[in-house]
Amino acid sequence: SQKIEQNSEALNIQEGKTATLTCNYTNYSPAYLQWYRQDPGRGPVFLLLIRENEKEKRKERLKVTFDTTLKQSLFHITASQPADSATYLCALARSGGYNKLIFGAGTRLAVHP
Amino acid sequence: EAGVAQSPRYKIIEKRQSVAFWCNPISGHATLYWYQQILGQGPKLLIQFQNNGVVDDSQLPKDRFSAERLKGVDSTLKIQPAKLEDSAVYLCASSLGHGSGRIPPGAGGSEAFFGQGTRLTVV
Repeated sequence: SQKIEQNSEALNIQEGKTATLTCNYTNYSPAYLQWYRQDPGRGPVFLLLIRENEKEKRKERLKVTFDTTLKQSLFHITASQPADSATYLCALARSGGYNKLIFGAGTRLAVHP
Repeated sequence: EAGVAQSPRYKIIEKRQSVAFWCNPISGHATLYWYQQILGQGPKLLIQFQNNGVVDDSQLPKDRFSAERLKGVDSTLKIQPAKLEDSAVYLCASSLGHGSGRIPPGAGGSEAFFGQGTRLTVV
């Protein structure tokens, strides 16, 4: 069956360091992968999209990589700040499908001053 | 630009009662999703509409859950009768979509915009 896995353990890092979050998937051929941020009591907010034929995407302090051979995406936040503390979700949509977005369980990031 | 609107924000009901949630997506968005998010888990897709047609309801418990999207705009999700395990946040999201809704290669406009959700507690 299809599976999307994100680190269930919370990630604690020091302010200024780079946070790296992982998204692994099995039995899936995604057309693209998206990353969202979710704060407590709020709905997820879209951050970045990377397509199956792209290796890397950047937006300000955010960087996403996509390795379809390893079936893995890495999400990096450089120069992290306490305001980056949140849960980060990855979501996949299959090629040729109806943009059906399937989410992972998310990884909670805590950035400490 | 107005975001996705959901109501109510919170709801507490007893098991076996019924409840309905309402969603108004972003204007012009063809795709509408309903997700269930249990505490500590990721959003689980319940149903997806493209305009006013259902394109995926494979994980919707159809014996108790129903949803409709009137005139391809607003949507309601109903639970009848509710069970304790239905306690969760119900999230509505919309995305631009592309005509039939199928993803052309390299297409953008697929990001989903979420409402704040409705927190349902079944007691």
